[in-house]
Amino acid sequence: AQSVTQPDIHITVSEGASLELRCNYSYGATPYLFWYVQSPGQGLQLLLKYFSGDTLVQGIKGFEAEFKRSQSSFNLRKPSVHWSDAAEYFCAVALWDAGNMLTFGGGTRLMVKP
Amino acid sequence: KAGVTQTPRYLIKTRGQQVTLSCSPISGHRSVSWYQQTPGQGLQFLFEYFSETQRNKGNFPGRFSGRQFSNSRSEMNVSTLELGDSALYLCASSSGLAGRWDTQYFGPGTRLTVL
Repeated sequence: AQSVTQPDIHITVSEGASLELRCNYSYGATPYLFWYVQSPGQGLQLLLKYFSGDTLVQGIKGFEAEFKRSQSSFNLRKPSVHWSDAAEYFCAVALWDAGNMLTFGGGTRLMVKP
Repeated sequence: KAGVTQTPRYLIKTRGQQVTLSCSPISGHRSVSWYQQTPGQGLQFLFEYFSETQRNKGNFPGRFSGRQFSNSRSEMNVSTLELGDSALYLCASSSGLAGRWDTQYFGPGTRLTVL
């Protein structure tokens, strides 16, 4: 079955430390890939997206993600986390022939220790 | 450029009632999608409207319906509310042009509580 998995429900990192959030997908073809962030009481904000081409994608707020076809993964990274990065992060996929329908992973809640 | 707006932001209803939520997309966007977010099921796609026509539908019962107006504003309706319908309902807009994927911009959501 087609699915998006974020293995880590919660992650806590210290401010200034590096961050990696994992995302794996299970689809027959390579889907379009996205990372969104949601702050408490807010909607979703797009951090970055991958359609094709360079497998290392740069996004907003200093985030980047790497697409690895062999591992069906699209992990999100940030070299130095700031307290304001505390939020919930969602990986999402879309198929080119499925219209504007996003399928989301379960989310990873990031907490940042001072 | 104004973002996606959703009204109301918070709503409390009782079981059996019906509810209508509204979404105004970004100016120029013709596609509006709706998602339900709950702690148990996460983010799930409800449906998408483009040029007043439903273009895509998720796996929800017929109690969930929607429509889109000529100005691209969209409403979703839930009839005969159940406790499990308590959720954050998110609306997303995009240009919706065929043959390409456009970034979806999300509104702040409507928090529906069913008592």
